[in-house]
Amino acid sequence: RKEVEQDPGPFNVPEGATVAFNCTYSNSASQSFFWYRQDCRKEPKLLMSVYSSGNEDGRFTAQLNRASQYISLLIRDSKLSDSATYLCVVNGPGTYKYIFGTGTRLKVLA
Amino acid sequence: DTGVSQDPRHKITKRGQNVTFRCDPISEHNRLYWYRQTLGQGPEFLTYFQNEAQLEKSRLLSDRFSAERPKGSFSTLEIQRTEQGDSAMYLCASSFGLPGQDVFGSYEQYFGPGTRLTVT
Repeated sequence: RKEVEQDPGPFNVPEGATVAFNCTYSNSASQSFFWYRQDCRKEPKLLMSVYSSGNEDGRFTAQLNRASQYISLLIRDSKLSDSATYLCVVNGPGTYKYIFGTGTRLKVLA
Repeated sequence: DTGVSQDPRHKITKRGQNVTFRCDPISEHNRLYWYRQTLGQGPEFLTYFQNEAQLEKSRLLSDRFSAERPKGSFSTLEIQRTEQGDSAMYLCASSFGLPGQDVFGSYEQYFGPGTRLTVT
């Protein structure tokens, strides 16, 4: 089983739609979780950290489910500019390593 | 620009040659990471520095790869005797960890634009 798994997509959604991605992780001892956004041929950029209580930033909401070992990202009112790859990141317990998923590609269509 | 910078942005080299990449982190960041990313994959951890100390290396990292951060500021990644399989984007990231606080994996990282390596 991969340490961090994501559905690669693509998710094709119309503008204004709500879309959600999940990411599962294998090590229950992981403590830190993040979502990054990566545009084509660019570097990853931090979108948001994921806290145990969940967190929201504008149209973006992140949740953590420790029991089922997954994190989620919800995007409301999708914009064309949201088209990108969304990378799930989990820390490797007892290490300094961060483990990235392969990313989920989102295309928002006009 | 006070973000993470990397140099060069692109490098084309012939198989068997050595290459060296440089990363300048955000100035107050004491933690520095190197990653490798290939098409369709997420970044893969290579190595980690806290100040000038290299505290972790990926087991996947062959001995042809070496990294340094001599004064705890910029870092270099060298690949010796390059192979075609080394072709990838090499990303550097930095973060800040409070002195004396040694909590694994708690800190948000900021990435540089990457160095795209092509080995022919």
